[in-house]
Amino acid sequence: GEDVEQSLFLSVREGDSSVINCTYTDSSSTYLYWYKQEPGAGLQLLTYIFSNMDMKQDQRLTVLLNKKDKHLSLRIADTQTGDSAIYFCAESLSGYSTLTFGKGTMLLVSP
Amino acid sequence: NAGVTQTPKFQVLKTGQSMTLQCAQDMNHNSMYWYRQDPGMGLRLIYYSASEGTTDKGEVPNGYNVSRLNKREFSLRLESAAPSQTSVYFCASTNTAPYEQYFGPGTRLTVT
Repeated sequence: GEDVEQSLFLSVREGDSSVINCTYTDSSSTYLYWYKQEPGAGLQLLTYIFSNMDMKQDQRLTVLLNKKDKHLSLRIADTQTGDSAIYFCAESLSGYSTLTFGKGTMLLVSP
Repeated sequence: NAGVTQTPKFQVLKTGQSMTLQCAQDMNHNSMYWYRQDPGMGLRLIYYSASEGTTDKGEVPNGYNVSRLNKREFSLRLESAAPSQTSVYFCASTNTAPYEQYFGPGTRLTVT
């Protein structure tokens, strides 16, 4: 069955780059997503990548996809304290709109 | 555009009580979802509605029922609340591929 795994915690200093990693097991994933959740709030879609792409860049965010290893990463350049949040990786399978989420990575940015 | 709205924001129930969580979206999306979020468990899908008139079970449907009232509204009902249903409940909606789901602010439910 499908499974999405993430490391639970990452701590960085303000101004550094952050890299959050995710692995997934289902090779029929068509889209992979990164969501951000701030305390007490719902999930906010940051970006997504189609499975036939290797990389997608959107301002400070870079998504890398290694389909052979089923590995997805989110790089945040020049990390700010406002980036402190929980980041969720998710996948959708071919033809389905339902998503499978990882358990989330808590990013803590210290000044 | 309000996006996805949920009511209530907070609720405390006693074991055995019933309640309905309301969700509405104004983005003309076809598909709507109910998730629960528990510490260390991520988000788990309870029920979803791929289109108006259809509903399907997700990963954790036991103890819940849903109604897709119309294209805009999708409600989640707890018939007899149990302490194990203490959680944060999120509603989401999406349209066609790439299936970007938009989330509501959540309902924080405590069952004592």
